[in-house]
Amino acid sequence: DQQVKQNSPSLSVQEGRISILNCDYTNSMFDYFLWYKKYPAEGPTFLISISSIKDKNEDGRFTVFLNKSAKHLSLHIVPSQPGDSAVYFCAALNSGGYQKVTFGTGTKLQVIP
Amino acid sequence: DTGVSQNPRHKITKRGQNVTFRCDPISEHNRLYWYRQTLGQGPEFLTYFQNEAQLEKSRLLSDRFSAERPKGSFSTLEIQRTEQGDSAMYLCASRLWDSPTNEKLFFGSGTQLSVL
Repeated sequence: DQQVKQNSPSLSVQEGRISILNCDYTNSMFDYFLWYKKYPAEGPTFLISISSIKDKNEDGRFTVFLNKSAKHLSLHIVPSQPGDSAVYFCAALNSGGYQKVTFGTGTKLQVIP
Repeated sequence: DTGVSQNPRHKITKRGQNVTFRCDPISEHNRLYWYRQTLGQGPEFLTYFQNEAQLEKSRLLSDRFSAERPKGSFSTLEIQRTEQGDSAMYLCASRLWDSPTNEKLFFGSGTQLSVL
């Protein structure tokens, strides 16, 4: 039962262009969403988050958009840099519940110089 | 701040052997989580602690798995009678639970288990 889905296992983008990573969720109890980045042989590192009371959160080159009615969120990276090449995980939780963070399967982003 | 530390980084064992992993969280963090990640998948929740209390266990955590956090600081995850299907990266994460919306988990580098 995959409650958080990332349907694109990989994405290639030219340096300087926009990267858009997508995520869908099925559990309507989720009200807080996070993106993590993971390099090989390292643990995931927190990137950006958004509460369900917002539809957009921005942090530098990274912006997360949330569409609650569609149960969809996306991460935009502008401009993309070669150092952004990593696996990106979408994650979600119910902040009023046990707050177990549920992760998607990840999207491997390659930024081509 | 030394971050979340996990030991060992790699463990190779034979099927049927027992293994134990250790996680040292960031010192002031009161919540500690264990996740498992296999190739091509995202981290899967196993269990978590609030201080020394184990608050939730996933159905993935069979009877062969046990986790402890005896003094509310470091934690151990033991797998008894390992099976080849246990081969995975075991990730530990911690956070300071002071707000329902302070959800930033800090992960360690993981322990890569290979069961032969």
